Amino acid sequence: DAGITQSPRHKVTETGTPVTLRCHQTENHRYMYWYRQDPGHGLRLIHYSYGVKDTDKGEVSDGYSVSRSKTEDFLLTLESATSSQTSVYFCAISESGLGGGYEQYFGPGTRLTVT
Amino acid sequence: RKEVEQDPGPFNVPEGATVAFNCTYSNSASQSFFWYRQDCRKEPKLLMSVYSSGNEDGRFTAQLNRASQYISLLIRDSKLSDSATYLCVVNSNAGNMLTFGGGTRLMVKP
Repeated sequence: DAGITQSPRHKVTETGTPVTLRCHQTENHRYMYWYRQDPGHGLRLIHYSYGVKDTDKGEVSDGYSVSRSKTEDFLLTLESATSSQTSVYFCAISESGLGGGYEQYFGPGTRLTVT
Repeated sequence: RKEVEQDPGPFNVPEGATVAFNCTYSNSASQSFFWYRQDCRKEPKLLMSVYSSGNEDGRFTAQLNRASQYISLLIRDSKLSDSATYLCVVNSNAGNMLTFGGGTRLMVKP
């Protein structure tokens, strides 16, 4: 299995509070991604990173920000959590740009509940 | 229309059966195709890539039909452990992102 960890694994928070999720990899892969998975919507890309300090938006980026100060860490922040952000969040890594056909490997996920 | 569409199932099959899933995609310029497996409350895991010539890995066979824009996954001699959700995955218009289908749920019964 690829060396990807996510923390925390479970979190319950209140509406309006800030939340930061962490993804850590030991594979030295260039690309990192944050997805959310919800019933009826499947996996949707929030943000991704193609290098240290290089990030871009995905399909559902509103209400989320990211940062990548080191190759191994990719942080996802909900500045002011809302109930619509209750979801399972997955981090993924990839060795190269996907235009080259490189597959992604996923972390174990974080279950976030916003009350 | 969704970029990647799958029949959500569930497909209920007995052990030993052969089962096939199809997936259609809308972007004719897509170049990379994959099947992932996801167990309940777990992360998606790569099952196999799908190549233009078709490819096989043990009991699993994947095929790509570019003309009709669909991908298939065939599972032979189904095992109880094959019970999972199978995700069809295609690279998106942007070329550096993947788009996931909603998944097809398979339940293999004794």
